[in-house]
Amino acid sequence: GDSVTQMEGPVTLSEEAFLTINCTYTATGYPSLFWYVQYPGEGLQLLLKATKADDKGSNKGFEATYRKETTSFHLEKGSVQVSDSAVYFCALPPGSGGYQKVTFGTGTKLQVIP
Amino acid sequence: DGGITQSPKYLFRKEGQNVTLSCEQNLNHDAMYWYRQDPGQGLRLIYYSQIVNDFQKGDIAEGYSVSREKKESFPLTVTSAQKNPTAFYLCASTRTSGNQPQHFGDGTRLSIL
Repeated sequence: GDSVTQMEGPVTLSEEAFLTINCTYTATGYPSLFWYVQYPGEGLQLLLKATKADDKGSNKGFEATYRKETTSFHLEKGSVQVSDSAVYFCALPPGSGGYQKVTFGTGTKLQVIP
Repeated sequence: DGGITQSPKYLFRKEGQNVTLSCEQNLNHDAMYWYRQDPGQGLRLIYYSQIVNDFQKGDIAEGYSVSREKKESFPLTVTSAQKNPTAFYLCASTRTSGNQPQHFGDGTRLSIL
């Protein structure tokens, strides 16, 4: 079945440092890929998405490129801020053929210190 | 603006009591989901529904029940059979066509008195 593997956290960075959170997936076909962000005490929000191979999703300074050859969708940001402290989830959408369960990674907590 | 509304934000349950968490969406989405999140943990699927009057168990359905009488509403009941209900509960919805992202509510935090 479909699966998502994320790097374990927590990740602690100083402000303005470079961020990478690794995500690899196993899926049937070529699904879209998503990154969600969850701020403390809130629900998840869609951060960015990519719908096909070599697509780059971007939002709020974050980027991720859909790499079919390595089945990866790593999240990057060039200069993190304290306000980026949150939990980040990589996800596959519901699959085809009636399988409607979303596949989430386990989440990676990011803490940015001033 | 369209979105998902969960209520209440905080809920307390006494021993032996059933409690119901509300989830309403005005996004015209067919599919709705309930997840449980424990501190420092990821999301675990409790129940999901792709259409009115139909729903399926997720990975941790024991001690929970749902109904889907209207497209907009997907309430979750935490029954007394759920012995460890303290958690953060998230409701989500999505279109069923294509590879669509989920939209989430702001969650309900349930605690035991």
